[in-house]
Amino acid sequence: QSALTQPPSASGSPGQSVTISCTGTSSDVGGYNYVSWYQQHPGKAPKLMIYEVSKRPSGVPDRFFGSKSGNTASLTVSGLQADDEADYYCSSYAGSNNHVVFGGGTKLTVL
Amino acid sequence: QVQLVESGGGVVQPGRSLRLSCAASGFTFSNYDMHWVRQAPGKGLEWVAVISYDGNNKYYADSVKGRFTISRDNSKNTLFLQMNSLRAEDTAMYYCAKDRSYGMVVWGQGTTVTVSS
Repeated sequence: QSALTQPPSASGSPGQSVTISCTGTSSDVGGYNYVSWYQQHPGKAPKLMIYEVSKRPSGVPDRFFGSKSGNTASLTVSGLQADDEADYYCSSYAGSNNHVVFGGGTKLTVL
Repeated sequence: QVQLVESGGGVVQPGRSLRLSCAASGFTFSNYDMHWVRQAPGKGLEWVAVISYDGNNKYYADSVKGRFTISRDNSKNTLFLQMNSLRAEDTAMYYCAKDRSYGMVVWGQGTTVTVSS
């Protein structure tokens, strides 16, 4: 069982928006502003899409938006495109003992 | 460009050891913390270990603590993962990754480890 809880699947039509949640505890998501989101296409390495809750690395389109409220972080993808279809994982810093924890992943389908 | 290239994976029997390497290029390796992350076939991502930029601080997932050792050679821009007492459940793709605020901003292509008799 993963430390962070994500829905196993999400879907939306092209052009629509979809939000993926990532629920943890006050010891990880709720306790630090170090939530990251990754996109992984089949057979490829993950790609960092969001770090520090809401920051985008260079090259990531602003259609990807990260936020957090309490123990739950969210990734919103707006203007869905076919290439957004992928697995998405969240991670969080969890203190010096556990350090980093991942969510179980969400498969995003673009209908 | 920034690049990470893992090597050292393979098929190994339970209880044996394996050493993974990750060659870094395109950035000042000695300035960054580095992670190992693994992904079992058909499963999600699992954080394995992290080492500080200077090698002085190391942290491990409970699942590998006492069996795996992360290390680095900043003179050779190389990250290592020594894996001892391997188990079937260690079978996975192993990725090295460059840290950014406890996230992983650059990933290698991965190296496959299969533990099987």
